Amino acid sequence: GQNIDQPTEMTATEGAIVQINCTYQTSGFNGLFWYQQHAGEAPTFLSYNVLDGLEEKGRFSSFLSRSKGYSYLLLKELQMKDSASYLCAVMDSNYQLIWGAGTKLIIKP
Amino acid sequence: NAGVTQTPKFRVLKTGQSMTLLCAQDMNHEYMYWYRQDPGMGLRLIHYSVGEGTTAKGEVPDGYNVSRLKKQNFLLGLESAAPSQTSVYFCASIPGDVGGAEQFFGPGTRLTVL
Repeated sequence: GQNIDQPTEMTATEGAIVQINCTYQTSGFNGLFWYQQHAGEAPTFLSYNVLDGLEEKGRFSSFLSRSKGYSYLLLKELQMKDSASYLCAVMDSNYQLIWGAGTKLIIKP
Repeated sequence: NAGVTQTPKFRVLKTGQSMTLLCAQDMNHEYMYWYRQDPGMGLRLIHYSVGEGTTAKGEVPDGYNVSRLKKQNFLLGLESAAPSQTSVYFCASIPGDVGGAEQFFGPGTRLTVL
């Protein structure tokens, strides 16, 4: 079966750095996405990786290793507004997105 | 440009009642999706459409039907609602070129079935 694993919850301090990991097993691979979802709102797109390596976009970076079925999202200079759930999703061979359950990130002052 | 809109935003149904959720997008996107999101679980695909007049089943299609009569609209129907269908429903769309395309989400519909 297809499976996306990520930690359920993480806590970090304002101004610090946090890394959210995602491992996957899917039928084919056409890219990995990270989305942010604030409570009660729809997910919003953060990043897309299809080749191995690091993609940097401001305070957020995303890394992919296809051979290990592994990705992480790195958030730097954490702000209180970064408190949200972070969803990892993989596009499979049928171009459907398979979603992880999400990681709830709690930022403390 | 409204993006993706969903109607209604909230709804309470009694078991056995029927309803239709409407998703509309004004970005001329080819692909449209209906997901449900339950606490502690990821988004699960119910049905999707790769173009006007086409629909396909996703991971959890039972108890739902869909139609895509117009490119901009994707309707999700519940013929006989059950408490297990209490959830938040999200519609999403992407342009026709699928690889790497960001999914644009609607604001969601919060449905409670009593």
